[in-house]
Amino acid sequence: DIQMTQSPSSVSASVGDRVTITCQASEDIGSWLAWYQHKPGSAPKLLIFTASSLHSGVPARFSGSGSGTDFTLTISGLQPEDFATYFCQQGISFPFTFGPGTKVDIK
Amino acid sequence: QVQLQESGPGLVKPSQTLSLTCTVSGASIGSGSYYWNWIRQPAGKGLEWIGRMYVSGTTNYNPPLKSRVTISVDTSKNQFSLRVDSVTAADTAVYYCARVPSDFDAFDIWGQGTMVTVS
Repeated sequence: DIQMTQSPSSVSASVGDRVTITCQASEDIGSWLAWYQHKPGSAPKLLIFTASSLHSGVPARFSGSGSGTDFTLTISGLQPEDFATYFCQQGISFPFTFGPGTKVDIK
Repeated sequence: QVQLQESGPGLVKPSQTLSLTCTVSGASIGSGSYYWNWIRQPAGKGLEWIGRMYVSGTTNYNPPLKSRVTISVDTSKNQFSLRVDSVTAADTAVYYCARVPSDFDAFDIWGQGTMVTVS
């Protein structure tokens, strides 16, 4: 299975900050990487697919980059509604696997 | 607006069968173009993909679970289901249903999740 790791595991930030989360795959996954936002008790939301494509309805302050094994999610100008857990997922091969998540909380 | 909603027992006894249903609203399962998935997350652990089904009947399962898991679709009810046989405490988790468009491998719509405890 392809192992996905994320760093940091948590980050404290303020409204307006730029936050960067990294995701690393244990082998080359090309651009088959997605990012999600998850708030407790709610359905996870797709933010980015194929590493850098913004999903419909997602604010432009979210962006993704990378290819191969190293990927980044950037939130430019953190908003109050962005405090949540973010996780990555590879979609190149079965079984699909997920990163452990990065919790973004209020400083 | 497409929505997915999981339903089923919140408590299952060890060695018995866990059965969950995902009801799809705002879209037709039978129309094709999507894979219908189950994912779970034990408390304090990461997400684990369980498997998926296409309306044609094609399925893919996570190998460690393959011998105990069945995913099926009922197009007349616009639902898909998960069955996990011979459950143990390790199957205790929040279970999510989710949709994947056939043209990109990401989960674009998720249910809110349902907690299942094996005890």
